[in-house]
Amino acid sequence: KQEVTQIPAALSVPEGENLVLNCSFTDSAIYNLQWFRQDPGKGLTSLLLIQSSQREQTSGRLNASLDKSSGRSTLYIAASQPGDSATYLCAVRFGRGGSQGNLIFGKGTKLSVKP
Amino acid sequence: NAGVMQNPRHLVRRRGQEARLRCSPMKGHSHVYWYRQLPEEGLKFMVYLQKENIIDESGMPKERFSAEFPKEGPSILRIQQVVRGDSAAYFCASSPLTAEGTQYFGPGTRLLVL
Repeated sequence: KQEVTQIPAALSVPEGENLVLNCSFTDSAIYNLQWFRQDPGKGLTSLLLIQSSQREQTSGRLNASLDKSSGRSTLYIAASQPGDSATYLCAVRFGRGGSQGNLIFGKGTKLSVKP
Repeated sequence: NAGVMQNPRHLVRRRGQEARLRCSPMKGHSHVYWYRQLPEEGLKFMVYLQKENIIDESGMPKERFSAEFPKEGPSILRIQQVVRGDSAAYFCASSPLTAEGTQYFGPGTRLLVL
């Protein structure tokens, strides 16, 4: 069964701290992996997309890495700010198993950055 | 370029009624995906459509749920005879391509069944 797991489920850090969110997946045959941000009661904002042939992607203070062989991705947030407080979702598009194009989501990590 | 549009944003229905959720993809996108987020759960894939075709409906309940994406107009997710367990946030996403494309999500429709 293709699954995506995110650890920890919740994280609280003081402002300015660098932090890492973890995502693991059960099948190394993936097309791509996408990190999203979800604010309470709102939709999803795409942060970074990593294709299966890539090792990492960067956007501003965010850096996402991908290690297919170990089935892991990390989202690194530098110099965290209170505005970064949200739930971060990892989603994987697997390359086999009958599904075409749909994403498998983890349950997310709820991040709280304290001023 | 407007993002993915969903309406209504909030929908209240009584048990047994029908719910119709609409999704207009981003301009130029011909692939639409519907996901459901139950309270305290992650997002779960329901159905993937291209214009006039259902590509993958493996995540959609076999009864009461249907989806379409006509040649003209928005994609519609229809839930007949709603039950309390259908209360959830329903998200639509679109992409210009399939495996390689970023999926862009709409703001969601929050359905409450009384």
